[in-house]
Amino acid sequence: QTVVTQEPSLSVSPGGTVILTCGLTSGSVSTYYYPSWYQQTPGQAPRTLIYTTNVRSSGVPDRFSGSILGNRAALIITGAQSDDESDYYCMLYMGGGIRVFGGGTKLTVL
Amino acid sequence: EVQLVESGGGLQQPGGSLRLSCAASGFTFSRFGMDWVRQSPGKGLEWVSGISGSGGSPNYADLAKGRFTISRDNSNNMLYLQMSNLRPEDTAVYYCAKGGERGTHFTAVWGKGTTVTVSS
Repeated sequence: QTVVTQEPSLSVSPGGTVILTCGLTSGSVSTYYYPSWYQQTPGQAPRTLIYTTNVRSSGVPDRFSGSILGNRAALIITGAQSDDESDYYCMLYMGGGIRVFGGGTKLTVL
Repeated sequence: EVQLVESGGGLQQPGGSLRLSCAASGFTFSRFGMDWVRQSPGKGLEWVSGISGSGGSPNYADLAKGRFTISRDNSNNMLYLQMSNLRPEDTAVYYCAKGGERGTHFTAVWGKGTTVTVSS
């Protein structure tokens, strides 16, 4: 069974750039998986950041961007701020109406 | 403003049943697919089930197949998740979520969630 993979944890310095990735245990992620990205802080509902690879959801700052890098989807945060410290999840569309989340990345800003 | 308000969570014994509800407002409900996503304590997000705007084509994650049924009432802007044969591992916050425009395959707006606890 194919699993969606993410880095368990990453850190970035304030003002720095960090790339979070979303891959598959078998195969490559492409735009056909319609990758989307979500931010969640403890105790809160998720917030949608990016959909269909690189489209920012309404109200999302332009320091968040999405792309395909190699065989993985990527969420790029430039000019990281302290309130970017959150859990980030990618979701892939597997076809047939089925979606799968990655395990999430805990981002620390320090 | 889009609003999604879940209800129906609570404590249930293993093997029992619960029906979750989600009241939607602020958008043309029948135009959008809807999903249920859950999060067990200390764990990540898990897609559970989705349904198209018309109510046809329900889909389920393996964890839900044969035990959970998703449905919707477009006349009353309601989404449901009927859960049966509950297991302790179904303990989670269950989020109702609005899909994006047709063909975008993502979760656009989230409710605040309702908590389900399965324990004897």
